[in-house]
Amino acid sequence: NAGVTQTPKFQVLKTGQSMTLQCAQDMNHNSMYWYRQDPGMGLRLIYYSASEGTTDKGEVPNGYNVSRLNKREFSLRLESAAPSQTSVYFCASSYGTSGDLQETQYFGPGTRLLVL
Amino acid sequence: QKEVEQNSGPLSVPEGAIASLNCTYSDRGSQSFFWYRQYSGKSPELIMSIYSNGDKEDGRFTAQLNKASQYVSLLIRDSQPSDSATYLCAVNPGRALTFGSGTRLQVQP
Repeated sequence: NAGVTQTPKFQVLKTGQSMTLQCAQDMNHNSMYWYRQDPGMGLRLIYYSASEGTTDKGEVPNGYNVSRLNKREFSLRLESAAPSQTSVYFCASSYGTSGDLQETQYFGPGTRLLVL
Repeated sequence: QKEVEQNSGPLSVPEGAIASLNCTYSDRGSQSFFWYRQYSGKSPELIMSIYSNGDKEDGRFTAQLNKASQYVSLLIRDSQPSDSATYLCAVNPGRALTFGSGTRLQVQP
């Protein structure tokens, strides 16, 4: 039981390049989330998926797209990377759907992205 | 005004003392509250959750919630050097978690 896994662990991109961050969970969770964490700003929600086949924007969705490939996998794509997207990206999952307010979120180990 | 506010710290306490971490939130409709611990370079891990007014204890940790004052706190008793980390307060106002920027705790041996 690996929990939430993310690949890659670290990536360097040049401005304008594209890439996809992968996330998978093996806990049979319904909801999955993508956050970015910048120094002094805490975690900010980019996109989330309350169930397979649905996605919704979070606080900072501009410059990103997501795909809920199946119940296990939720990917985050940067179509044209910018230096402002340099950050640590965390994927998380929870059992409930978006209406369940008491659900605990479990986090993956993170992807450190540097955009030059 | 940020939705979830925390003092960034660092909060420095001696080993064995009580560490008190505070958090205020702006959305009165929030119904669930969480404390996460994050070691440097690691991902957040859940310590406590609290949903109703009052205190909730789990080992050395006590979470306190006052919805009227829109205030959540975390007390760590008998603080240990291994408690040194950043503590993130998270609030669920109805859709997804909103995080504070975290308080860095340093426990001095």
